[in-house]
Amino acid sequence: QLQLQESGPGLVQPSETLSLTCTVSGGSIRSSSYYWGWIRQPPGKGLEWIGTIYDGGSTYYNPSLKSRVIISVHTSKNQFSLKLSSVTAADTAVYFCARHLEYGRKAASGYWGQGTLVAVSS
Amino acid sequence: EIVLTQSPGTLSLSPGDRATLSCRASQSVSSTYLAWYQQKPGQAPRLLIYGASRRAPGIPDRFSGSGSGTDFTLTISRLEPEDFAVYYCQQYGSSPQTFGQGTKVEIK
Repeated sequence: QLQLQESGPGLVQPSETLSLTCTVSGGSIRSSSYYWGWIRQPPGKGLEWIGTIYDGGSTYYNPSLKSRVIISVHTSKNQFSLKLSSVTAADTAVYFCARHLEYGRKAASGYWGQGTLVAVSS
Repeated sequence: EIVLTQSPGTLSLSPGDRATLSCRASQSVSSTYLAWYQQKPGQAPRLLIYGASRRAPGIPDRFSGSGSGTDFTLTISRLEPEDFAVYYCQQYGSSPQTFGQGTKVEIK
């Protein structure tokens, strides 16, 4: 059964870079033909799509975050990662990694990690 | 960017009741690219419906989705105790993919 698990610091200083990793088990990222992505949720608020990556390296980002986001795949470790630079308190959120249910860029997210809370504070 | 507006904000119902949740888009969404998720406190969202009306694997048939264009509906035919949660719609056909603000289904 496919499982995803986020990991990374729970506290990041303002203006620094937030770095998270999603480790995939029960399936391989390599040549999987699926898209993998990140979604976040500020405390008590709704969901915001951050971006999506394909094993081939194609990335798609939310324009509102594009200048600060990098999503990468690390197939040898069966992981993908998120880097968000120049963070502020507005970036405090639970960050989820996810995989599309079906092949293709335009697909719903059918598999999710449990989420990890990242607070931006000095 | 397509804005999704969900209504009502909160739905107060009893177990066994029928729940009807609405999602309205600011511009037309291909029904191929409309999904519904359920989220309980402290948990990740769970995909219920994709392609506007297709149930995700393992989802009970009391959940159904319908709609087209700018108006979509999630119906829960008979609420079970485990169905009280927050529900989000999502469009993923136009970038950026966007979510509605959520509808909370609470016990009356």
